[in-house]
Amino acid sequence: AQTVTQSQPEMSVQEAETVTLSCTYDTSESDYYLFWYKQPPSRQMILVIRQEAYKQQNATENRFSVNFQKAAKSFSLKISDSQLGDAAMYFCAYRTANAGGTSYGKLTFGQGTILTVHP
Amino acid sequence: KAGVTQTPRYLIKTRGQQVTLSCSPISGHRSVSWYQQTPGQGLQFLFEYFSETQRNKGNFPGRFSGRQFSNSRSEMNVSTLELGDSALYLCASSKETGNNEQFFGPGTRLTVL
Repeated sequence: AQTVTQSQPEMSVQEAETVTLSCTYDTSESDYYLFWYKQPPSRQMILVIRQEAYKQQNATENRFSVNFQKAAKSFSLKISDSQLGDAAMYFCAYRTANAGGTSYGKLTFGQGTILTVHP
Repeated sequence: KAGVTQTPRYLIKTRGQQVTLSCSPISGHRSVSWYQQTPGQGLQFLFEYFSETQRNKGNFPGRFSGRQFSNSRSEMNVSTLELGDSALYLCASSKETGNNEQFFGPGTRLTVL
């Protein structure tokens, strides 16, 4: 079974600064997807960024980028030029790409990291 | 395009009762997944439905069940409620099973007294 670990329960950053959230995962599969989701106080889960394991290039979405290290099974999220609206719980998630697997479609989440942004 | 909607948003029940939660996916989406979120266990996968069939099931007791209708709307049912069932229940929809982004609804907050 796959597991996702976020070792930082809480992180804080000053507005306009850069912060990196860590995520490691364990899997025996070679093809999968990784995601970072944001959950603000409203509880609405919002997809921030996704990475396909077969792609060596790190995904980027505006101020959000990832550092995907497949051999190390590491998937960190970097938020540049942090804004007050970035304050939220961030979840790292894994999903298999194996269409024949029984867990196809299931997201496995980490425990989450609460990000505080100071003005 | 309207997002994923969940009803009701808040629910209070007592132990032993049963509850039904509803999820309407984004138009055109045929896959619906359900997750339970609690402070202690985090986000856990309950089940996934695709074209009215349960494709996957998480490690939850049989008191948790669900179904999907021909219009892709889904319901989940919890019978004989326990205090530990108090949680935020999130529904997510995607175009097809597995290979597409899942869009989440706002959740239903269930409190069991």
